[in-house]
Amino acid sequence: DSGVTQTPKHLITATGQRVTLRCSPRSGDLSVYWYQQSLDQGLQFLIHYYNGEERAKGNILERFSAQQFPDLHSELNLSSLELGDSALYFCASSDGPTSTDTQYFGPGTRLTVL
Amino acid sequence: AQSVSQHNHHVILSEAASLELGCNYSYGGTVNLFWYVQYPGQHLQLLLKYFSGDPLVKGIKGFEAEFIKSKFSFNLRKPSVQWSDTAEYFCAVNAPGNMLTFGGGTRLMVKP
Repeated sequence: DSGVTQTPKHLITATGQRVTLRCSPRSGDLSVYWYQQSLDQGLQFLIHYYNGEERAKGNILERFSAQQFPDLHSELNLSSLELGDSALYFCASSDGPTSTDTQYFGPGTRLTVL
Repeated sequence: AQSVSQHNHHVILSEAASLELGCNYSYGGTVNLFWYVQYPGQHLQLLLKYFSGDPLVKGIKGFEAEFIKSKFSFNLRKPSVQWSDTAEYFCAVNAPGNMLTFGGGTRLMVKP
């Protein structure tokens, strides 16, 4: 157990819908990262927040957004869902503000878009 | 931009065989290197990491990796695999100012 929690574990929804994925970092960690893992794209970095502020963006679609709240949990919002958005979404946390800090991964949310 | 290549996509071994998984990266400057493992149905777990110092790094569960700067490589090794090592292994690299970049992963199957 890495100490990072994600909810829900599984999510099944339809195209065009909007969903919210939640992540709670390890106690004391200020950074949250979001990743998408799909069969064709592999594991891709989406976005990084540190202490409530966006630090970096990766291959994140405009239909996706995220935020980190004062209690440091983070939410990833996916809207206008398409079949291709079906994937495993991981969050990771670290204690420092830079991506060179070791990241600890949560169990993931498996999103299925029908 | 940095990139990571894992040339072996699938590896099948018998128990007690030795393991070496290749990882090559492209980046000209200082990098941090990681190996993560993902057991079936589970999340990514850190096996080992290299930041600086001794290029031979020992991790959990008997794994080790060697950083060879001249070859831009960070290969993962284990002298004798067990059935419980069946998993997917990811090499990752990041450099200051850059995000963690993962290789495509290597699926290891260990036959009992």
